[in-house]
Amino acid sequence: DAGVIQSPRHEVTEMGQEVTLRCKPISGHNSLFWYRQTMMRGLELLIYFNNNVPIDDSGMPEDRFSAKMPNASFSTLKIQPSEPRDSAVYFCASHPESGRVTGELFFGEGSRLTVL
Amino acid sequence: DAKTTQPPSMDCAEGRAANLPCNHSTISGNEYVYWYRQIHSQGPQYIIHGLKNNETNEMASLIITEDRKSSTLILPHATLRDTAVYYCIVRGNTGNQFYFGTGTSLTVIP
Repeated sequence: DAGVIQSPRHEVTEMGQEVTLRCKPISGHNSLFWYRQTMMRGLELLIYFNNNVPIDDSGMPEDRFSAKMPNASFSTLKIQPSEPRDSAVYFCASHPESGRVTGELFFGEGSRLTVL
Repeated sequence: DAKTTQPPSMDCAEGRAANLPCNHSTISGNEYVYWYRQIHSQGPQYIIHGLKNNETNEMASLIITEDRKSSTLILPHATLRDTAVYYCIVRGNTGNQFYFGTGTSLTVIP
């Protein structure tokens, strides 16, 4: 299996621009997570989906952030408009069984976002 | 919300055992203890998890105290490639939230 695939790996944009980050979970996994990592705040859970349905978005910082999962093999995290404080590494992760303890959360390589 | 407390950093000599502590004094009966690590610039990687019994796999051992309020991750023979940030996470078996704290930055010294 190719693992969790994220794109782009690096994104540099200017303040005010729309940013879309993409994630393809591992085939057969039915839970998907978006995390943000910064030096100041560490690794923060933004939102997670079970069977394509958003379950907990309490970590989404504000209305400028939105996430969708239109099907089991694709998710997006969108920031509109972007701000310099959104600069971070954004990780996507998938889990094989929603609501059950199976141990492993599989992470992608991350998307490093820089907003100038 | 992270429910664990870990020292911010630790050093370990190469070839020696690395013992990474974690306090989770508010853990409830159905919550598991998980350990992940993150090597620089990569996504976190699962290491091990347990409920109340000690666990061992090819990567590490997990020792959980009898009252379950703390645990220790043991890397029996640390190598330079074990230099990473190690996260201790408490998670219930009915929810999917994996909340990472700030972890322990382990440096293995040659």
